[in-house]
Amino acid sequence: DQQVKQNSPSLSVQEGRISILNCDYTNSMFDYFLWYKKYPAEGPTFLISISSIKDKNEDGRFTVFLNKSAKHLSLHIVPSQPGDSAVYFCAALLSGTYKYIFGTGTRLKVLA
Amino acid sequence: DTEVTQTPKHLVMGMTNKKSLKCEQHMGHRAMYWYKQKAKKPPELMFVYSYEKLSINESVPSRFSPECPNSSLLNLHLHALQPEDSALYLCASSQVDRDYSPLHFGNGTRLTVT
Repeated sequence: DQQVKQNSPSLSVQEGRISILNCDYTNSMFDYFLWYKKYPAEGPTFLISISSIKDKNEDGRFTVFLNKSAKHLSLHIVPSQPGDSAVYFCAALLSGTYKYIFGTGTRLKVLA
Repeated sequence: DTEVTQTPKHLVMGMTNKKSLKCEQHMGHRAMYWYKQKAKKPPELMFVYSYEKLSINESVPSRFSPECPNSSLLNLHLHALQPEDSALYLCASSQVDRDYSPLHFGNGTRLTVT
């Protein structure tokens, strides 16, 4: 039972345009949501997070939006750069625990 | 440079071997984690240590044995593994003295069981 899902396995975007990565979840007991970026042969790197009581968090080119009623979050990258090409994972923290549950990942390719 | 260091980077072992994966962090984090990731799958939680005590074991087979000798080190002892245990093993750490702290990952150990 996959509690955190990323339904798009891959996404291609032109350099300078917006990249939108999506994530859906099923468990209402998640307190925080996070996005990670992963390059080949490296561990995931933390990008940005959002509390379940917020609906938006912004950090430079990265913005995360949370729609609790739809159990949906998205990561916007503007403008997209070739160096953003990587696999992006969303993750959710189960309330009162140390359990971070990861989505299946979306491979983003930014075309120069 | 990653602040969580994992050794070795690659490991090939037979099904009768005993080996250990090592993880070290010097960020003062008091929670440490082992995740397993297979190709095209998300990282899956195996174990969590908090203040050097095991707090989560996700029903991992006993052929995987974690150890947290001190607040900076985390080991994963491997014995009698199966070929299906071949995967990327990721160590992570986080703070514990706040509502939430993101995981900081190492670069992983790529394990192949022959």
